[in-house]
Amino acid sequence: DVKVTQSSRYLVKRTGEKVFLECVQDMDHENMFWYRQDPGLGLRLIYFSYDVKMKEKGDIPEGYSVSREKKERFSLILESASTNQTSMYLCASSPLGGRYNEQFFGPGTRLTVL
Amino acid sequence: KNEVEQSPQNLTAQEGEFITINCSYSVGISALHWLQQHPGGGIVSLFMLSSGKKKHGRLIATINIQEKHSSLHITASHPRDSAVYICAVNRDGGATNKLIFGTGTLLAVQP
Repeated sequence: DVKVTQSSRYLVKRTGEKVFLECVQDMDHENMFWYRQDPGLGLRLIYFSYDVKMKEKGDIPEGYSVSREKKERFSLILESASTNQTSMYLCASSPLGGRYNEQFFGPGTRLTVL
Repeated sequence: KNEVEQSPQNLTAQEGEFITINCSYSVGISALHWLQQHPGGGIVSLFMLSSGKKKHGRLIATINIQEKHSSLHITASHPRDSAVYICAVNRDGGATNKLIFGTGTLLAVQP
């Protein structure tokens, strides 16, 4: 089975702190995604990566950056956390190729910024 | 207006009832996905379909491409079916694997 893991299930940070959220997948997938999920808004794409060192902005990239130095690992970085970044963050991966593919999701990290 | 709309937003059912969740979309698609998210948990894929109908156990998913509409049915519902059900689509002609999500339907099945 595909396994996508995230570094923390729950995280509490203070305004202005630098925050790292890490995601690791074990199925050699090319594509990796970071989403945030908020009540009434559903999942929104922050960034995605289709290869090592390659990244593309999603719908809401402001205030976030990403890093993909190895194929299996995709990191989301909040350079200076703000209270409006309190949310559930979900990572996903999928193989490359074809017109569409299933995405495999991690368990999520619930981030609270105080 | 969201490109993927789900109804209802909230649904409460009694154990054993037949349940239908609807999804309408306004863009051309190459595939539609139904996902399930349990409270505090990650998201799992239930179905991926581009035409017709798929069945897995008590779950049935249908899609009507002409009407841009899909339904997820749960037969003989059980409290363990309580979860958020999310509809998502791959936009036709868009980047492979990027999904557009609906806001989800929160289902509670009472014993």
